[in-house]
Amino acid sequence: SQQGEEDPQALSIQEGENATMNCSYKTSINNLQWYRQNSGRGLVHLILIRSNEREKHSGRLRVTLDTSKKSSSLLITASRAADTASYFCATDTLNRDDKIIFGKGTRLHILP
Amino acid sequence: DTAVSQTPKYLVTQMGNDKSIKCEQNLGHDTMYWYKQDSKKFLKIMFSYNNKELIINETVPNRFSPKSPDKAHLNLHINSLELGDSAVYFCASSLPGNTQYFGPGTRLTVL
Repeated sequence: SQQGEEDPQALSIQEGENATMNCSYKTSINNLQWYRQNSGRGLVHLILIRSNEREKHSGRLRVTLDTSKKSSSLLITASRAADTASYFCATDTLNRDDKIIFGKGTRLHILP
Repeated sequence: DTAVSQTPKYLVTQMGNDKSIKCEQNLGHDTMYWYKQDSKKFLKIMFSYNNKELIINETVPNRFSPKSPDKAHLNLHINSLELGDSAVYFCASSLPGNTQYFGPGTRLTVL
């Protein structure tokens, strides 16, 4: 089941611009992850942020987490054509089943 | 009317047994996937099938064998289960080039 909500559902920007995607979730979490899915390929893990962290960086990626608003954002700076993909957030639950729940994804298209 | 379903949701079994996890999608998608969620909770692709043909086969032990009787089903059979196989396994499906829809996951515990 997919309970997270990414927004926007689709985003087109010019190469070189920054892309921001948002994710909202419903229940308290231990951590939140962002994944990228290139066309026809499997998911690739990008970054994990824990509930006690507010911001995390990895290369051109910047993730923020606001647990009071139950939301996260993924910023990709200086976008490239290769960044064209779908981006998913995934949250764990505080249940003991240890599963993660995916949002529906944001489809990002980088225009040349 | 669940889009992607997996059975069972929980599976507890002894080491050395053979077990299967089933996945079905009613979305009319051509491509289906199996992922393993590791101990750090990261998802890693195991297999991908497109129209019953194997597309992606990452480095997984050959004890794991996917079977796709039709394009709506992709089952995962595991032989000679080991302790390290304990994990949550996710099935997903998509149209070519489109985003994936995930099943609820199957938590496998090997004792």
